[in-house]
Amino acid sequence: DVKVTQSSRYLVKRTGEKVFLECVQDMDHENMFWYRQDPGLGLRLIYFSYDVKMKEKGDIPEGYSVSREKKERFSLILESASTNQTSMYLCASGAQLLFGSGTQLSVL
Amino acid sequence: AQSVTQLGSHVSVSEGALVLLRCNYSSSVPPYLFWYVQYPNQGLQLLLKYTSAATLVKGINGFEAEFKKSETSFHLTKPSAHMSDAAEYFCAVSKTPGGSYIPTFGRGTSLIVHP
Repeated sequence: DVKVTQSSRYLVKRTGEKVFLECVQDMDHENMFWYRQDPGLGLRLIYFSYDVKMKEKGDIPEGYSVSREKKERFSLILESASTNQTSMYLCASGAQLLFGSGTQLSVL
Repeated sequence: AQSVTQLGSHVSVSEGALVLLRCNYSSSVPPYLFWYVQYPNQGLQLLLKYTSAATLVKGINGFEAEFKKSETSFHLTKPSAHMSDAAEYFCAVSKTPGGSYIPTFGRGTSLIVHP
């Protein structure tokens, strides 16, 4: 069964910490995406990648970076977490956007 | 630039009634259009997509949507609501892919189904 796996379902971090959110897909997809989801705002694109070591900024990249060293793994990095980054983070893969289950991140 | 407007943040229907979730888009090129569903505490699941073939698209769970270029709409319908349809629904639009999809999402519509 094909899937997109996000490493953590729930995560609690403190302000200023460096946070890594991991996403792995097993479908050999070239395209991978990171979105954040907030009530009333829908999904907003943070970063995406078309290939290994390639990245493009989405609509709200400020405060985030990404890494794609291998085709199957796309990591989202919060360099210095802030309370306004408390959100649901969704990873997606492929042309039809197969989504992972999401990581609910709380920054205290 | 492309954008999506979903009319109504909440839609309430009775079980067995028609479901109609509205989506209007703007796009500078012929769009690709999608509907996704999100059940509580889960990721998003693709319901259906329009990719410039038939204008009436059938999806999973009895849902369908019709692409109307003149109205720039892609409304989602289901003839008879079931309690299990209660979820958040998202419409999305993407560029015609020369390479890949980069969907832009609407803000979502929460479907409430009453017994």
